[in-house]
Amino acid sequence: GQQLNQSPQSMFIQEGEDVSMNCTSSSIFNTWLWYKQDPGEGPVLLIALYKAGELTSNGRLTAQFGITRKDSFLNISASIPSDVGIYFCAGYMDSNYQLIWGAGTKLIIKP
Amino acid sequence: DGGITQSPKYLFRKEGQNVTLSCEQNLNHDAMYWYRQDPGQGLRLIYYSQIVNDFQKGDIAEGYSVSREKKESFPLTVTSAQKNPTAFYLCASSPMGDSNQPQHFGDGTRLSIL
Repeated sequence: GQQLNQSPQSMFIQEGEDVSMNCTSSSIFNTWLWYKQDPGEGPVLLIALYKAGELTSNGRLTAQFGITRKDSFLNISASIPSDVGIYFCAGYMDSNYQLIWGAGTKLIIKP
Repeated sequence: DGGITQSPKYLFRKEGQNVTLSCEQNLNHDAMYWYRQDPGQGLRLIYYSQIVNDFQKGDIAEGYSVSREKKESFPLTVTSAQKNPTAFYLCASSPMGDSNQPQHFGDGTRLSIL
């Protein structure tokens, strides 16, 4: 099946740093979703985006729906230890109601 | 509390055995989904159901079977035909299957081979 290109694959950061990750595709999407998964648990929805150019925040998290409708970005400001985990992007294309998933970005905080 | 309950949390399968993973939701969602997750990888769709008594194959349906006799329940059977069943299995639901609604997930079942 089709996948989104999510990058980076992993990130090592210092506590307090800002984090950026993104998802891109060659296809147009009408919805972008960002999830976080902790070890041994299911993904939890962080932010949902429904309109090109939309910028939405959830606490220290901010996500944007790209103007071209082919990409989305997630930023985390002032990272803290509980931010560690795997972040997934997912999206719906115009022509398909199946949710398409990125491979995830693993966030690790350096001791 | 409303949510999705998966059981058991851990499951072990013997060679040639079928095992069934349970998924129950009390969110009154129409659509339910089963995903497989392998270490370091994203989610791959096994089966989905948009309405009771109807379901469709996802990208990796071979070796799996499902039923949807009740709105709240969508059990997944991992059959002996699935030669590499060791994985983390996630069940999800959404309000409607034919719309761009976010999916909500249970806490998963980890299946291993004995």
